[in-house]
Amino acid sequence: GENVEQHPSTLSVQEGDSAVIKCTYSDSASNYFPWYKQELGKRPQLIIDIRSNVGEKKDQRIAVTLNKTAKHFSLHITETQPEDSAVYFCAARSYGQNFVFGPGTRLSVLP
Amino acid sequence: GAGVSQSPSNKVTEKGKDVELRCDPISGHTALYWYRQSLGQGLEFLIYFQGNSAPDKSGLPSDRFSAERTGGSVSTLTIQRTQQEDSAVYLCASTARTGGNEQFFGPGTRLTVL
Repeated sequence: GENVEQHPSTLSVQEGDSAVIKCTYSDSASNYFPWYKQELGKRPQLIIDIRSNVGEKKDQRIAVTLNKTAKHFSLHITETQPEDSAVYFCAARSYGQNFVFGPGTRLSVLP
Repeated sequence: GAGVSQSPSNKVTEKGKDVELRCDPISGHTALYWYRQSLGQGLEFLIYFQGNSAPDKSGLPSDRFSAERTGGSVSTLTIQRTQQEDSAVYLCASTARTGGNEQFFGPGTRLTVL
């Protein structure tokens, strides 16, 4: 079955700096890779996703890159703000299967 | 429209009692997922309902856990003979179709087993 690893487990950055979180997956059949943000006490919310037929997707300050050959994908947040502080989860799935989540990264943006 | 809803929002029970957690997915969503999230931890997959197909129960931690989905809509997660280690937030999510669409999460049910 699919296995998703995520690094780092915690990340602290200064406000305005960039943050990068990396995930690796094991199942080459996986074709959908979402990223979720979970604030304290809240439900996970999708912030960006990428499908296996593209290598990069960007939405304002957030971008995701995918390397299918190496089986890894990364979340990039630029110009970080205090409200970006949260736990971020990556996930992978293949068609018709369940989502497999990474263990999460706790991002702290320091003012 | 309305999002995914779950009830109750909080449940406190005594060890050994049975509990039922309910999930109402977004209307028309064919896929429904249950996850467990212990404090400060990640999302542990429990079970996945996909339309009329047999559910994927591979994540259920023991035979004390079961779930059903009636009429392709509402789902109930049942935990029998609860143990203290069952204490966690139970999250439900739904997607519009079987493919890799956006997963919408409910607010969760916080279960505390005393």
